[in-house]
Amino acid sequence: GQSLEQPSEVTAVEGAIVQINCTYQTSGFYGLSWYQQHDGGAPTFLSYNALDGLEETGRFSSFLSRSDSYGYLLLQELQMKDSASYFCAVREAGNMLTFGGGTRLMVKP
Amino acid sequence: EAQVTQNPRYLITVTGKKLTVTCSQNMNHEYMSWYRQDPGLGLRQIYYSMNVEVTDKGDVPEGYKVSRKEKRNFPLILESPSPNQTSLYFCASSFSSGTAHGYTFGSGTRLTVV
Repeated sequence: GQSLEQPSEVTAVEGAIVQINCTYQTSGFYGLSWYQQHDGGAPTFLSYNALDGLEETGRFSSFLSRSDSYGYLLLQELQMKDSASYFCAVREAGNMLTFGGGTRLMVKP
Repeated sequence: EAQVTQNPRYLITVTGKKLTVTCSQNMNHEYMSWYRQDPGLGLRQIYYSMNVEVTDKGDVPEGYKVSRKEKRNFPLILESPSPNQTSLYFCASSFSSGTAHGYTFGSGTRLTVV
């Protein structure tokens, strides 16, 4: 089985940088994904890390350390529209995707 | 437009009355999956399918059935719904090469069983 741990809530101010951590325990690991979900909406894909290191996509970056079973999502230049829930997810064999419980990010003016 | 379409968006039903939630994707994805989302529990996988006629159980399959007779469709069937199946349901699909492109999710179906 798998388990993923991420903080339940994070608060930051507009323009700041925030990091959302995710640790995982899995019997098989093929990659770590991040998804964003606004209230009332569907999850949308943000990033995927299969190898160690940092992946950058605009204001968002995602990091993975396979040896530490750890990853994080870094959001820079926070905007009010970034207020949402963020989920890490681990892919195992067969493309089965297991999600963490989600981190609710509140961006304040 | 590339999308995953779920129907209905909202459904209220009574205990024991069979229902089907439909899911269709137009991206020729091989992988399709159903999740339920409950407060504090995140997204939990119900069933997934790696191709036509290939399905497998996820983490919470009890009380659900699926079928994959065509590549584009992956309906979720509740033979005898119970109140503990009240939840927000999402269908998702992806390319078979892995999740580098991510899963595409449908808009969700909010199901209430009374």
